[in-house]
Amino acid sequence: GNSVTQMEGPVTLSEEAFLTINCTYTATGYPSLFWYVQYPGEGLQLLLKATKADDKGSNKGFEATYRKETTSFHLEKGSVQVSDSAVYFCALSDEDTGFQKLVFGTGTRLLVSP
Amino acid sequence: GAVVSQHPSWVICKSGTSVKIECRSLDFQATTMFWYRQFPKQSLMLMATSNEGSKATYEQGVEKDKFLINHASLTLSTLTVTSAHPEDSSFYICSALRGALAYEQYFGPGTRLTVT
Repeated sequence: GNSVTQMEGPVTLSEEAFLTINCTYTATGYPSLFWYVQYPGEGLQLLLKATKADDKGSNKGFEATYRKETTSFHLEKGSVQVSDSAVYFCALSDEDTGFQKLVFGTGTRLLVSP
Repeated sequence: GAVVSQHPSWVICKSGTSVKIECRSLDFQATTMFWYRQFPKQSLMLMATSNEGSKATYEQGVEKDKFLINHASLTLSTLTVTSAHPEDSSFYICSALRGALAYEQYFGPGTRLTVT
């Protein structure tokens, strides 16, 4: 079945540091890939998405590139801020479910200190 | 963005009792809502798809008689955990679908259930 694997956290960084959160996936077809963010006390929010190979999703300074050859979708940000502290989830949906359902990774907590 | 609320945000109940969790879409109508469950250090697992005016569709391995879902209106879905046991303790998250594709879900903040 389809699955998403994320690096375990927490990831602890100082403000302005470079961020990478690794995500790899297993899927039978050609999935769409997503990153969601959950701030404390709030629901998950879509951060960015990519729907085909080599697409780059970007939002709020975050980027992720859909790499079919390595089945990866790593999240990056050049300079993190304290306000980026949150839990980040990698997810996919694919044609097996008509792109109607999401499969999530375990989430990676990011802690950014001043 | 769209707002989805859940109530309560946390609940403690005794083993053998039932507990109801509400999920409301506050600023759009949702024909479809989803219920997820999350254990510590594990991913969100889809439990069921709730469709307004019809029976919910449960994922494989989810006991439909234990997790009763009612989607009575376009803005409200409820999850009732019946005869709760300590192993049902978990974080339950709902979402409401605004469009046709999975990523067009808007998520509630979750409900922490502890069964003693």
